[in-house]
Amino acid sequence: AQSVTQLDSHVSVSEGTPVLLRCNYSSSYSPSLFWYVQHPNKGLQLLLKYTSAATLVKGINGFEAEFKKSETSFHLTKPSAHMSDAAEYFCVVGGATGGFKTIFGAGTRLFVKA
Amino acid sequence: GAGVSQSPRYKVAKRGQDVALRCDPISGHVSLFWYQQALGQGPEFLTYFQNEAQLDKSGLPSDRFFAERPEGSVSTLKIQRTQQEDSAVYLCASSLRREGDYNEQFFGPGTRLTVL
Repeated sequence: AQSVTQLDSHVSVSEGTPVLLRCNYSSSYSPSLFWYVQHPNKGLQLLLKYTSAATLVKGINGFEAEFKKSETSFHLTKPSAHMSDAAEYFCVVGGATGGFKTIFGAGTRLFVKA
Repeated sequence: GAGVSQSPRYKVAKRGQDVALRCDPISGHVSLFWYQQALGQGPEFLTYFQNEAQLDKSGLPSDRFFAERPEGSVSTLKIQRTQQEDSAVYLCASSLRREGDYNEQFFGPGTRLTVL
């Protein structure tokens, strides 16, 4: 069985400060992990995905995430927030060796203050 | 290039009516997923197709929900005798799905269903 927990429902940062969105997962298999972003009135877009090739994954728009097996975490970070980063972010587990079912976290709403 | 499209974008149904939601995946994508996203929540998996085969329908909430993909491309999600709790955004996604790969899913804009 697989599951994913996003530890914060809302995160608020000031523009130019670092962003940290936390995600913990549970998987009986070698997990496939993803972060997706959903801007208001727009479709879900992939930010980055974890493959077994590297534990530090770089994505679009300056985001990155680190896979830590010992902590079962896959936190999303960005060094400097931009106003355009304000959106809903979803941590996702599943697919590939875990079967077909894809499990989304409940989401973290990121607010960016000017 | 063309992405995943869904129609209609908005649907209002009276309780008890049947509805059909359409998904056009990216051409050549083998895999197709349906999700239900309630207001303020993350998408919840409904069902998965590989070509025309429905390999996982474990997320369908009841036997009122039915999905098909008869020719391995366009898919339809049908909800019979709609209830107010069916009100949600229904998302479709497609992916290439190669063995051993970690495939990105490409999402459509969704169909917002409101049941009165």
